[in-house]
Amino acid sequence: KAGVTQTPRYLIKTRGQQVTLSCSPISGHRSVSWYQQTPGQGLQFLFEYFSETQRNKGNFPGRFSGRQFSNSRSEMNVSTLELGDSALYLCASSLVSSGSVETQYFGPGTRLLVL
Amino acid sequence: AQSVAQPEDQVNVAEGNPLTVKCTYSVSGNPYLFWYVQYPNRGLQFLLKYITGDNLVKGSYGFEAEFNKSQTSFHLKKPSALVSDSALYFCAVRDILNTGFQKLVFGTGTRLLVSP
Repeated sequence: KAGVTQTPRYLIKTRGQQVTLSCSPISGHRSVSWYQQTPGQGLQFLFEYFSETQRNKGNFPGRFSGRQFSNSRSEMNVSTLELGDSALYLCASSLVSSGSVETQYFGPGTRLLVL
Repeated sequence: AQSVAQPEDQVNVAEGNPLTVKCTYSVSGNPYLFWYVQYPNRGLQFLLKYITGDNLVKGSYGFEAEFNKSQTSFHLKKPSALVSDSALYFCAVRDILNTGFQKLVFGTGTRLLVSP
């Protein structure tokens, strides 16, 4: 079974631009989560989508948004990029079953550099 | 709030020696704990998780972790380290949000360096 895929793997943008990152979950996984990884803040939860609905969002400004499609693929968008948005953005997918402790499986990430 | 702590930024071990990467947790309710590994320029790879039951959890690549409730610890171990085990290791705990979603809260990571 193919793992979580993310595109693109690398991006260079300038301040003020916007960017869209894509994530395809493992087949059959309906939940997609996004995390930001930086040297200073570590791994931080951005948001999670299930059945095309954002169920929760972490403590990030409104410039960070996302969506999920009917095939469970997800995109995240960052508008008006700032230098501090430079990070590795990780997508994770999981099954969703009531009452169980699901494992999140991560993609390789998209490394974003904002100049 | 759920949290985990990884007290060591880096662990150095010689190839063939046993290794331990430490993690302590603070949770309300039952602890559900995970270990992930990250190689350079890669995402996180799942190693193992503790839900309930046996305190010794076996995972991928020969790794295991020992859950200790009295010490609130979940240390990652391997009997014989390989140079290829050199990577960044993250401990994580499940945090349930009010929607029922299971978010992961990560530790700061421990860099493992295995020397030949």
